Amino acid sequence: DAGITQSPRHKVTETGTPVTLRCHQTENHRYMYWYRQDPGHGLRLIHYSYGVKDTDKGEVSDGYSVSRSKTEDFLLTLESATSSQTSVYFCAISESGTGRIGYTFGSGTRLTVV
Amino acid sequence: GENVEQHPSTLSVQEGDSAVIKCTYSDSASNYFPWYKQELGKRPQLIIDIRSNVGEKKDQRIAVTLNKTAKHFSLHITETQPEDSAVYFCAASKGAGGTSYGKLTFGQGTILTVHP
Repeated sequence: DAGITQSPRHKVTETGTPVTLRCHQTENHRYMYWYRQDPGHGLRLIHYSYGVKDTDKGEVSDGYSVSRSKTEDFLLTLESATSSQTSVYFCAISESGTGRIGYTFGSGTRLTVV
Repeated sequence: GENVEQHPSTLSVQEGDSAVIKCTYSDSASNYFPWYKQELGKRPQLIIDIRSNVGEKKDQRIAVTLNKTAKHFSLHITETQPEDSAVYFCAASKGAGGTSYGKLTFGQGTILTVHP
């Protein structure tokens, strides 16, 4: 498809449990991003990565951590899920290095915290 | 950091009419402005983009204009069709260089409904 896949597509979890979302790309792009989408807020950046083991925080990073041990995988972890983290999570990749910075998004993960 | 405001939040038009969505940004260093279309239950997809050295760009029925002085940019859709119904997002970026890392800041989105 678009060279980027997210798993799982849907997840329901209980408050207080840890959750890990996976983003996998086959494009060998350097830059990867995690966003959350909520009504009225658009897409907000959680964390991003500019290389293997190189990550940084976005505007809504509290309660989230990330890891990137391989170019193709970018993991988002909710250490202890809360109801406020119920959202749709999108991963995105970008070539960036060539000057093209338009994103390609994954299909999203709908997370419900009960 | 960058702040992007998008208006209107909802827009309803008749088929064949034009639709205009407007965005303002706060950081004068931003130099790349893409627009994304998101159909219900789908991923956002890039439909058009513009860089700060260009004032206008067209692609068939879609056009984007940029006013750097006023720090605003707009999406224009002409001859709207029901399949144009979707959520549209504007975004801004300072590019891939330095510590920008190609990050995009998005507007809040506009729900466009085109009535047959």
